[in-house]
Amino acid sequence: ETGVTQTPRHLVMGMTNKKSLKCEQHLGHNAMYWYKQSAKKPLELMFVYSLEERVENNSVPSRFSPECPNSSHLFLHLHTLQPEDSALYLCASSQQGRLGGYTFGSGTRLTVV
Amino acid sequence: GDSVTQMEGPVTLSEEAFLTINCTYTATGYPSLFWYVQYPGEGLQLLLKATKADDKGSNKGFEATYRKETTSFHLEKGSVQVSDSAVYFCALSDNSGGGADGLTFGKGTHLIIQP
Repeated sequence: ETGVTQTPRHLVMGMTNKKSLKCEQHLGHNAMYWYKQSAKKPLELMFVYSLEERVENNSVPSRFSPECPNSSHLFLHLHTLQPEDSALYLCASSQQGRLGGYTFGSGTRLTVV
Repeated sequence: GDSVTQMEGPVTLSEEAFLTINCTYTATGYPSLFWYVQYPGEGLQLLLKATKADDKGSNKGFEATYRKETTSFHLEKGSVQVSDSAVYFCALSDNSGGGADGLTFGKGTHLIIQP
């Protein structure tokens, strides 16, 4: 247990489905992140929430929609995904002003069929 | 923009061999540097870090020294074990305050240690 919990661990969804990924941290951190990890590619930063405000990432398709209701919870809402969106989605948190790096969750393995 | 380049694997070594995984970076300012490790089926775990030039991060027998003159942060271990088999990621944060800009990662190096 790293202090960052992601659910579900595995998700299979059709291209017309709507699903949500959940991330929860109880480390007292004030910044949270979504990363996408695909085979043979560097980790891609998708979204950043700092003090519950979103930092836009214009390269992420609108079929991915983040939500941060409070500093401990982060969601990634998914709709009309494509097979190429299949990947490991990692959540992370950090404390701004502290040089301690980031704490990652174990990820959600998403398969789009 | 910022970038991290690390040797691509897989890197296959025998147990007790010496390990070096190269990492170089480009960044503006004075980044903090990190090595993360990912074991099968898990997320990333912070292995070690260095926040300024000439700092040496160390953990679990692994070491890396922040070399500003060569913009490098190579990971080393004197004697690897089978349990060290994993994917290793070099990363940087270009906000010295640890702010919410996100980490920039290399592609990862898959390390395989054979008994």
